Amino acid sequence: DQQVKQNSPSLSVQEGRISILNCDYTNSMFDYFLWYKKYPAEGPTFLISISSIKDKNEDGRFTVFLNKSAKHLSLHIVPSQPGDSAVYFCAASSGTYKYIFGTGTRLKVLA
Amino acid sequence: DAGVIQSPRHEVTEMGQEVTLRCKPISGHDYLFWYRQTMMRGLELLIYFNNNVPIDDSGMPEDRFSAKMPNASFSTLKIQPSEPRDSAVYFCASSFPGTGELFFGEGSRLTVL
Repeated sequence: DQQVKQNSPSLSVQEGRISILNCDYTNSMFDYFLWYKKYPAEGPTFLISISSIKDKNEDGRFTVFLNKSAKHLSLHIVPSQPGDSAVYFCAASSGTYKYIFGTGTRLKVLA
Repeated sequence: DAGVIQSPRHEVTEMGQEVTLRCKPISGHDYLFWYRQTMMRGLELLIYFNNNVPIDDSGMPEDRFSAKMPNASFSTLKIQPSEPRDSAVYFCASSFPGTGELFFGEGSRLTVL
């Protein structure tokens, strides 16, 4: 049973436009959420995180939104750049170091 | 800092053979994680250690899988005997308490024929 779901396996966006990646979770005990980016043949790298006490966290072009009532989070990338083309994973934990990851969404930013 | 180091990067073996994957975490990190990446399930947590002690191994798929951390700078994930369905990319990651961030190695791609 997938506790963290990324229902869109892929997404294509024009350069300069907004990319929105979505993630849903089922466990209401999750209180910390992270986004990771992964390029081919490399390990995932940390992008941005959010605690359940917040509903938004921003870092440059990247913003994560958390809707606890809907058990939904999203990552917004504005403006999107070709170098953002990668697989994006969301992850969640519940007060421990047991991070549960989703299946990933492949983002392609078209020049 | 050298980052998390995994070896081998690629392993091709035949069904029934023993496979050992190795990981050196970042110095000073006292959490170590083993993940497996497949298309169907994404990144699955197999096991994680704190101060060399296994904390949660509920993700280890079967008794054929075992993991050890004999000291703070080394961990192994062993599959014996290996099966074709074990083919995946295995990642090791480490973390320092309080940061909430995992640092991943480049992964070991395992192919079992």
